[in-house]
Amino acid sequence: GAVVSQHPSWVICKSGTSVKIECRSLDFQATTMFWYRQFPKQSLMLMATSNEGSKATYEQGVEKDKFLINHASLTLSTLTVTSAHPEDSSFYICSARDLPSWETQYFGPGTRLLVL
Amino acid sequence: RKEVEQDPGPFNVPEGATVAFNCTYSNSASQSFFWYRQDCRKEPKLLMSVYSSGNEDGRFTAQLNRASQYISLLIRDSKLSDSATYLCVVNIRSNFGNEKLTFGTGTRLTIIP
Repeated sequence: GAVVSQHPSWVICKSGTSVKIECRSLDFQATTMFWYRQFPKQSLMLMATSNEGSKATYEQGVEKDKFLINHASLTLSTLTVTSAHPEDSSFYICSARDLPSWETQYFGPGTRLLVL
Repeated sequence: RKEVEQDPGPFNVPEGATVAFNCTYSNSASQSFFWYRQDCRKEPKLLMSVYSSGNEDGRFTAQLNRASQYISLLIRDSKLSDSATYLCVVNIRSNFGNEKLTFGTGTRLTIIP
């Protein structure tokens, strides 16, 4: 099946620093990528939807200036958490799909972020 | 009311038993329904789609009741490897017209030897 990778798999950083997370589709071209966040014992929450070559669409309550998303190619999207704070500590998961079908959405392994 | 609601469990079930999970959703316009499983500290993985006619995949059976806005998952002859959190997932169309998947908080299942 299709594979989506994320890098790094985990990161620990100091408060105030910026962290960049990469999401790559390895064997297909992802026209759409999604970024989710999951806090402990909570459900995945969609942060933003990103289409290649256009600006991301952010969900209500997600600050676009804090969570910068770039989807410059059909195989790569990045999420940058700017000036991270402890409350940003979470499990960030991307997903990607090539066709407009939810059944062909594939998730990356996730990135655990801990902000001290 | 939550958009997707599940009993969080935990369900502790002996190996070989049958277990059923339920889920309700609030948006009557939803068209796509799924069950995902998520292992501890891992990403969710698609278990099966849920169709109006119901569908079965080996030991797993999923059913949809659109009138009641209710989805179910039945696991027969449960195995130790079935231990995971099961996520009910529904597509929601926002007021802006774009679609997104909305995840329930999950039902935690532990199969006991």
